[in-house]
Amino acid sequence: ILNVEQSPQSLHVQEGDSTNFTCSFPSSNFYALHWYRWETAKSPEALFVMTLNGDEKKKGRISATLNTKEGYSYLYIKGSQPEDSATYLCALVPNTGNQFYFGTGTSLTVIP
Amino acid sequence: DAGITQSPRHKVTETGTPVTLRCHQTENHRYMYWYRQDPGHGLRLIHYSYGVKDTDKGEVSDGYSVSRSKTEDFLLTLESATSSQTSVYFCATATGELYQETQYFGPGTRLLVL
Repeated sequence: ILNVEQSPQSLHVQEGDSTNFTCSFPSSNFYALHWYRWETAKSPEALFVMTLNGDEKKKGRISATLNTKEGYSYLYIKGSQPEDSATYLCALVPNTGNQFYFGTGTSLTVIP
Repeated sequence: DAGITQSPRHKVTETGTPVTLRCHQTENHRYMYWYRQDPGHGLRLIHYSYGVKDTDKGEVSDGYSVSRSKTEDFLLTLESATSSQTSVYFCATATGELYQETQYFGPGTRLLVL
């Protein structure tokens, strides 16, 4: 069992604020990292797949960076909007097998 | 939308009874996964399949079995349901291995074991 930690657990921001949160994982087990967005009453949806140290991915106002040597990834949201309210999950693919270890997520609420 | 359906969507059952959940996909994805979601634990892998009749255990496989007799269907069986198996169960699929391919999730099945 691999420990994937996300912080903070929850976050409330005002509309228009930029925000970021962290996913930490054991660097020695790294193979790939995924980010997912999970809205209430829906299924998780993929945001990014990241594999290389220094990777930076962007989709609209959302971007992510990866540091495999120190074992963390940051997710950034620029100019948060109410529709960004969701739980953001990261998931580690270890070098030991084809499966995910999910973090418990960061719940983001954007206040209009 | 990867065309993943789960049935049933809700189920209430009694302790000791067997329960089978079905995941059906229309995308011809090779890999299929079963997860459970519990407060404070996030999503945890139960079993996964990397092809027809090829399955492997995940993090929390005790008390569960799976079968995949055709590409589109992946069945999860609780051999003798216990209250600790009350959870929301998600199926997911992927076209390839997870170091490069994303997963697509089904809508979930809420299971209550009394």
